[in-house]
Amino acid sequence: GENVEQHPSTLSVQEGDSAVIKCTYSDSASNYFPWYKQELGKRPQLIIDIRSNVGEKKDQRIAVTLNKTAKHFSLHITETQPEDSAVYFCVSGANSKLTFGKGITLSVRP
Amino acid sequence: GAVVSQHPSWVICKSGTSVKIECRSLDFQATTMFWYRQFPKQSLMLMATSNEGSKATYEQGVEKDKFLINHASLTLSTLTVTSAHPEDSSFYICSASLGASVYEQYFGPGTRLTVT
Repeated sequence: GENVEQHPSTLSVQEGDSAVIKCTYSDSASNYFPWYKQELGKRPQLIIDIRSNVGEKKDQRIAVTLNKTAKHFSLHITETQPEDSAVYFCVSGANSKLTFGKGITLSVRP
Repeated sequence: GAVVSQHPSWVICKSGTSVKIECRSLDFQATTMFWYRQFPKQSLMLMATSNEGSKATYEQGVEKDKFLINHASLTLSTLTVTSAHPEDSSFYICSASLGASVYEQYFGPGTRLTVT
């Protein structure tokens, strides 16, 4: 089945700096790559997604890139704010289901 | 729009008893619903895919006789944990897909199950 790897497992940045989270996937059939943000004890919330026919997508401070050849995708958050602190999951969609990475805990220091 | 609710939000039960968790799509009809389990500080693991009016499809390693799923209508799916044990204590989250793509899922708030 699909395997989604996410690195690093924790990331700490200073407020205002950028944060980059990188992921890899294994299934060549994957064609949908959403990113979810989850605060402690709450539901995952979709923050951005990208489909396999697109290489890059941006929404205000958040951008995602996809390299299908290398099976890499990344999340970029610019001008980080304390409220960006949460767990972020990269996800791969294939075979009619979503496979979540292990998650990264992002801490934004004021 | 695309709101999913779960009930209860938390439940404590004794070992050996059964617990039912409900997942509802409040403002849309969901042909497909999904059940995930999340242990503390871990990722979401898909347990099963539930389609209205048909049997659920379980992921490898998930006991279908222990985790009973019923999807009787386009807005309601239920997960029953039978003969619960402490190791079943977890955060159970459902999601529902909107539209033609099963990948665009909206998640419920989760149910915290504690088995004593």
